[in-house]
Amino acid sequence: SQQGEEDPQALSIQEGENATMNCSYKTSINNLQWYRQNSGRGLVHLILIRSNEREKHSGRLRVTLDTSKKSSSLLITASRAADTASYFCATALTGFQKLVFGTGTRLLVSP
Amino acid sequence: EAQVTQNPRYLITVTGKKLTVTCSQNMNHEYMSWYRQDPGLGLRQIYYSMNVEVTDKGDVPEGYKVSRKEKRNFPLILESPSPNQTSLYFCASWTGSGNQPQHFGDGTRLSIL
Repeated sequence: SQQGEEDPQALSIQEGENATMNCSYKTSINNLQWYRQNSGRGLVHLILIRSNEREKHSGRLRVTLDTSKKSSSLLITASRAADTASYFCATALTGFQKLVFGTGTRLLVSP
Repeated sequence: EAQVTQNPRYLITVTGKKLTVTCSQNMNHEYMSWYRQDPGLGLRQIYYSMNVEVTDKGDVPEGYKVSRKEKRNFPLILESPSPNQTSLYFCASWTGSGNQPQHFGDGTRLSIL
């Protein structure tokens, strides 16, 4: 069964606005990672947050992790048209060397 | 440049005709994995490998084979492809350290008629 569920499935905003995507998961994790996928291309790693971290920043990205609620959020500030892509959360499960992906959020940023 | 290279990028073939999708990484990573991506289902792991000659099943291994004879290569084999294996396939590699990201290839779009 899918470990990660993302919300919303699709998000449409204007350039300059912030975009927030949420991810929920079911079991204990080592870390949670966010990836971006441009249409028809491979996944690009954005940011990794460890299970003992609560918040992490990278440029315009801010990720939070709440292990008590088994949830994470990705905030993209001041969105640009080039941010248009699908965004996936992926959990690295405790004791396993693999990632389990959510179903993704499709983000459309209009000029 | 650090990269994961998959070939072919696109393939249309017919049911039952054996095919192999190659994957090669130049980062000396211990771990490699294959995923398939289908609409509404996200990415699901097919097989993964922890080192040369060490492989294990992922979530959807049926109908696939893999081998890891060299550290850099991890081919995916469909011995008798069927239409339900039409999908977008990704290869990934990583160090195996618990807090390192995976690096993905650009994908292979397979259509089985």
